[in-house]
Amino acid sequence: EAQVTQNPRYLITVTGKKLTVTCSQNMNHEYMSWYRQDPGLGLRQIYYSMNVEVTDKGDVPEGYKVSRKEKRNFPLILESPSPNQTSLYFCASSPTLGQGNQPQHFGDGTRLSIL
Amino acid sequence: AQSVTQLDSHVSVSEGTPVLLRCNYSSSYSPSLFWYVQHPNKGLQLLLKYTSAATLVKGINGFEAEFKKSETSFHLTKPSAHMSDAAEYFCVVSDRTSYQKVTFGTGTKLQVIP
Repeated sequence: EAQVTQNPRYLITVTGKKLTVTCSQNMNHEYMSWYRQDPGLGLRQIYYSMNVEVTDKGDVPEGYKVSRKEKRNFPLILESPSPNQTSLYFCASSPTLGQGNQPQHFGDGTRLSIL
Repeated sequence: AQSVTQLDSHVSVSEGTPVLLRCNYSSSYSPSLFWYVQHPNKGLQLLLKYTSAATLVKGINGFEAEFKKSETSFHLTKPSAHMSDAAEYFCVVSDRTSYQKVTFGTGTKLQVIP
């Protein structure tokens, strides 16, 4: 089954403790992206990747890191999480490189709470 | 630069009546436009997309949207609401040629009253 898999689905942690949210897709997609969803703000793009070793900032990259060493994986790293990063996070992928006309496939989300 | 404005944060309709969710966009290039639906505690599912072919786009579950360039709008409609349509809906714009950024609207929550 074609899917985008995020782990963990839920995480409660404390300020300053490094964490990684993994994202993996099995559709051989070039494009992958991370979003955060906050009430009243919709989804905001954190980082995206056009292909392996190619990443770029979205609208809200501060406090986050990403890497794309393999085509299928796109982890989101919070080196020193803070309470304002408490949010619902989505990973997404798309089959088309360089074209904006393909829809994205979304994971089920990761709910992070930073205390 | 690009932006999306969803004109209503909440819409309430009775079951069996028409649905209209409004979306206006701003883009300096030829955009691709999408509508996604998010049911509670779920990820996002594509409803439909516009990518420069027919301006009237049909999607899943009886939804459709019309691209109006002169009005920079991409409103989502359905002739008859069903209880299962209760969800949050997002209008999305991306650059059709470069796909470098994707911008979401802030969402419209649809309530369907029995």
